[in-house]
Formats: sequence, structure tokens, C-alpha cells
Amino acid sequence: DIQMTQSPSSLSASVGDRVTITCQASQDIRKYLNWYQQKPGKAPKLLIYDASTLQTGVPSRFSGSGSGTDFTFTISSLQPEDIATYYCQQYDNVPPRHTFGQGTKLDIK
Amino acid sequence: EVYLVESGGALVQPGGSLRLSCAASGFSFSDYWMSWVRQAPGKGLEWVANIKVDGSEKYYVDSVKGRFTISRDNAKNSLYLQMNSLRADDTAVYYCARGGRYRFDYWGQGTLVTVSS
Repeated sequence: DIQMTQSPSSLSASVGDRVTITCQASQDIRKYLNWYQQKPGKAPKLLIYDASTLQTGVPSRFSGSGSGTDFTFTISSLQPEDIATYYCQQYDNVPPRHTFGQGTKLDIK
Repeated sequence: EVYLVESGGALVQPGGSLRLSCAASGFSFSDYWMSWVRQAPGKGLEWVANIKVDGSEKYYVDSVKGRFTISRDNAKNSLYLQMNSLRADDTAVYYCARGGRYRFDYWGQGTLVTVSS
């Protein structure tokens, strides 16, 4: 089974900061990686799919990059409404199985 | 607009059974893979199961294989999760999600399953 290592587990930053979260796969997953945002008490929301494609309606300050085993999620300028936990998720193509990273809890300094 | 509404969560004793339902609207249900994803209290997300558009393929996380069964009724725009032999570590909020072939693009609000004596 593919393991996903997400870091850091928590992060504190100031409004306007550039924030970066990484996700590492235990084997090559090509670009089969998505990123989600989950606010407290709410369902997750898809932000980025296939490593770097922005989901419709998601602000452009969110971006993703990477392929193979190493992936990065970036918020270019942190806003107060970005306080949430962020998860990466990889998918196997055949069969279609999924693994989430452990999550990164982001808060404001 | 896409809506997914889960129901059926409850307090159940270890070894018991429960059936979750998810009512879908706002999209062509029969065109999409569907999934269940769970989240234990204070923990991260865990994919549980997914099902192909016509129900012909179903996949499960190892920890629920043989105990949980995912199914769908395209005529009723509904997704189900039959959970048997429930254990304490099945306690979680269970989310219904659209997708499951590649990504989960819409999620319901979740339903809480508590397994405890």
C-alpha cells in the first residue's frame, strides 16, 4: 500500500505570509494527488486536483505542484478565512483506492 | 447545485449493524462514482469504500473488508453503506462524497456513528 507523509502536522503563520505544506508518497504516484481544506465542524472541500489543477471557484492564492513522490501545496498570501486543516490525498488508478495524508492544521499567529 | 445528505448515524453496540444512506440531488447521479469517507473524532480522513457508476465494481479499505458493503440505487439517487460487526474503532463521522475514481469533488455534511456499550 502507498503511504503518504504530510508535513508539518501544524503550522502557525501571519496574515499575508506565504505558506507551504508538503506531501511525500512512498512510491511514484505520477500526478495522482489532490488537496483538500477542512474547516472546523465542516466537510472537506476539494481545492487542487491532479497535483496542480485548481478546482473551479477556488481562489488563485492556492496552488499545487509536484509529481512522482514529492508534492507541495502553497497559499501565496494567507488570509484569515484560510484557517483550516489541509489534507493531501493520493489515488491508485487500478484499482481505484485512496490514501489521505495525516493533515496539517493551520492557524494564525 | 449539488447536494449530498447523509442519514442513519446512531449509537450502536459493538458487534451491531447499521445502514447509512446518502440522498443525492443536483447532478446526474448515475454518471458518477460515489464513495464513503470517514473521520474518527479528532483524527484525519480515511477513505472507506467506493462504487462504480453502475455498481459493478466496489472497493474497500482493508479494515472494513468483509464487514461493510457499499451499494447504490440509481433510480432513487441514493448511496448506501451497510455496516456489520461494528467495532469501537469504526466510531466516526461518515461522509458521502461524489467521486471515487480520482477525486472527491462534493461532500455531504456527514453522519455520526458511535460504537459503544
